Amino acid sequence: EAGVAQSPRYKIIEKRQSVAFWCNPISGHATLYWYQQILGQGPKLLIQFQNNGVVDDSQLPKDRFSAERLKGVDSTLKIQPAKLEDSAVYLCASSSGGSYNEQFFGPGTRLTVL
Amino acid sequence: RKEVEQDPGPFNVPEGATVAFNCTYSNSASQSFFWYRQDCRKEPKLLMSVYSSGNEDGRFTAQLNRASQYISLLIRDSKLSDSATYLCVVNPSGSSASKIIFGSGTRLSIRP
Repeated sequence: EAGVAQSPRYKIIEKRQSVAFWCNPISGHATLYWYQQILGQGPKLLIQFQNNGVVDDSQLPKDRFSAERLKGVDSTLKIQPAKLEDSAVYLCASSSGGSYNEQFFGPGTRLTVL
Repeated sequence: RKEVEQDPGPFNVPEGATVAFNCTYSNSASQSFFWYRQDCRKEPKLLMSVYSSGNEDGRFTAQLNRASQYISLLIRDSKLSDSATYLCVVNPSGSSASKIIFGSGTRLSIRP
């Protein structure tokens, strides 16, 4: 079974630039998560989708971050404009159901903002 | 108080030792709990779910103490390959529509 795919794996940008990350979840998984993991910290949930609807985006900095999941499959996360403190690994995860179900993580995108 | 707290470690123990970590949570109504393992520069992977009655998987034992609001992970006969960061995960309400919270992780290093 193919895992969660993410691209790019690495991205270096300058502050105030824009960047977008892509995630393809495991086939058939209805729930998709985007996390931000800063070095030395645990993953912080940014947004959770159930199919193509948003379940929770309370920790998404909506002035600069946006995410969408068209057709309930692939998802993109965008940052515009980026700040230095956005440097982190952005992890995408998917699960087949609710919170009792295992989350499968992609390899992440390591973002460096200079 | 943080919603989910873990001792960051690092725990540095010899191979074959038994090591235990705790994770405390602030919301007494929390319903579901997990331990994930994250290797250096890799993504987290589920180690085990934590059930009310406790559960064991080989050398790993997870316990839930609702009265004191903590979960624990015990690793017996530790191996070099157990070196990783162990993340505690709590779902406050247990529903799919709730915010899942990860702890900051406990770093474990097993030495030969």
